[in-house]
Amino acid sequence: DADVTQTPRNRITKTGKRIMLECSQTKGHDRMYWYRQDPGLGLRLIYYSFDVKDINKGEISDGYSVSRQAQAKFSLSLESAIPNQTALYFCATSDTTGGAFGELFFGEGSRLTVL
Amino acid sequence: GENVEQHPSTLSVQEGDSAVIKCTYSDSASNYFPWYKQELGKRPQLIIDIRSNVGEKKDQRIAVTLNKTAKHFSLHITETQPEDSAVYFCAASISQGAQKLVFGQGTRLTINP
Repeated sequence: DADVTQTPRNRITKTGKRIMLECSQTKGHDRMYWYRQDPGLGLRLIYYSFDVKDINKGEISDGYSVSRQAQAKFSLSLESAIPNQTALYFCATSDTTGGAFGELFFGEGSRLTVL
Repeated sequence: GENVEQHPSTLSVQEGDSAVIKCTYSDSASNYFPWYKQELGKRPQLIIDIRSNVGEKKDQRIAVTLNKTAKHFSLHITETQPEDSAVYFCAASISQGAQKLVFGQGTRLTINP
């Protein structure tokens, strides 16, 4: 089945370290997103990309960067991790047919702990 | 900025009863309103969505209603079952500039047997 795959699924790191979370998809979708989930705060958009040459900041992009290496790959980097970036991170894709907004397909999530 | 408020944050109902979760949004141009269900330890998945050209949509035991004038929409689950226990998120599309979704804070629904 076509899917959205995130690696790593769990990561514990220390303050100041550089971390990369990777996302790949076999759905053939153009649009890819990175969300952060914190208890009581819902899902907040970090960055999104509508094609390989298009990168856009979301609600909470400070401290994060992204790279869209190919249509199927979208990675999220924390250049210098800090404890308040401890969260569950989700990659998602969507296929927006005819310009209308469509369903988001989420990966299984990457749980990051920054000590 | 644009935001979506979701209430209640937690909801506990007896099995077989109905559950209602409400959301309000701020962007009058929003035209797409999905609901996602996240079971414990799993990824969010779309359960139902509605576009601004309709006022209500139903799919078996779940329904969504939309009031564009008041800028609020609601999820209704009837005849609740234990497998309905999950966190539910509403969202609204933001159309200014590039399209994106803004999510509510989530509602943890517990179905008591």
